[in-house]
Amino acid sequence: DGGITQSPKYLFRKEGQNVTLSCEQNLNHDAMYWYRQDPGQGLRLIYYSQIVNDFQKGDIAEGYSVSREKKESFPLTVTSAQKNPTAFYLCASTTGARSQPQHFGDGTRLSIL
Amino acid sequence: AQSVTQLGSHVSVSEGALVLLRCNYSSSVPPYLFWYVQYPNQGLQLLLKYTSAATLVKGINGFEAEFKKSETSFHLTKPSAHMSDAAEYFCAVSDRGYSTLTFGKGTMLLVSP
Repeated sequence: DGGITQSPKYLFRKEGQNVTLSCEQNLNHDAMYWYRQDPGQGLRLIYYSQIVNDFQKGDIAEGYSVSREKKESFPLTVTSAQKNPTAFYLCASTTGARSQPQHFGDGTRLSIL
Repeated sequence: AQSVTQLGSHVSVSEGALVLLRCNYSSSVPPYLFWYVQYPNQGLQLLLKYTSAATLVKGINGFEAEFKKSETSFHLTKPSAHMSDAAEYFCAVSDRGYSTLTFGKGTMLLVSP
C-alpha cells in the first residue's frame, strides 16, 4: 500500500546534538512538507519542497535544515540551534495541486534528554 | 494573510448528540478548505475537502461541512456522535500558492456515554 513512513517513532536528543528525522513516501508525490505540532498550537510549517533539489522555508525554519535529493525522501535535521525541540513532528506529501489534500505520516515524537 | 480560526479548543457532546465544530477562515483568493482528524500519537487523516464543486461536502464517518462564502465559514457537523469520534479535529485552508496549508489550532472533541 502507498503511504508515508516516518522514523523513528520516538527520538531523544542530548544537549548540543543534531538529530535527523526520516520521511519516505511511495505515493509518487512531488511536494513534501514538515510540520511541528505543539499542544494547543496546531501545525506549523517548518520547510517544504515542491521538487527534487529545491526547498523553501516555512513559518518556523530557524534551527532546522532539510534536503531533497530523491523524490521519495525528505529528511529533517533538528540542529543544536533549535533551543526548544521537544514536539511532535509530522511529514506530509501531495501531488502539488492546491485542490489535492496532503497525506500524513504517523509522526516522530522528539524529546530532550 | 490567510488564517484559520477554530472556535473552542474543546467541545463536549453526549453520544448520539449533534456534533458541530466551527471553522472560519480569511483568504484573499477563493480557498480550498479541508478538515482533518487526528487520533492520539498518530498523523492526520482527511475527513473531507471543499474545492468549489459543491458547497455542502460529505466526508467519511458521517461527517459533512458546508462552505458559506458570505460568512467565511466551513463548519463541520455530524448528526449523531459516536464514542469513536473522540479525537482532535483540524481545519485547514490552501490559498498561499502551490499547495501549502494553513491550519487552525484544532478542536478536541470529547464524547461522553
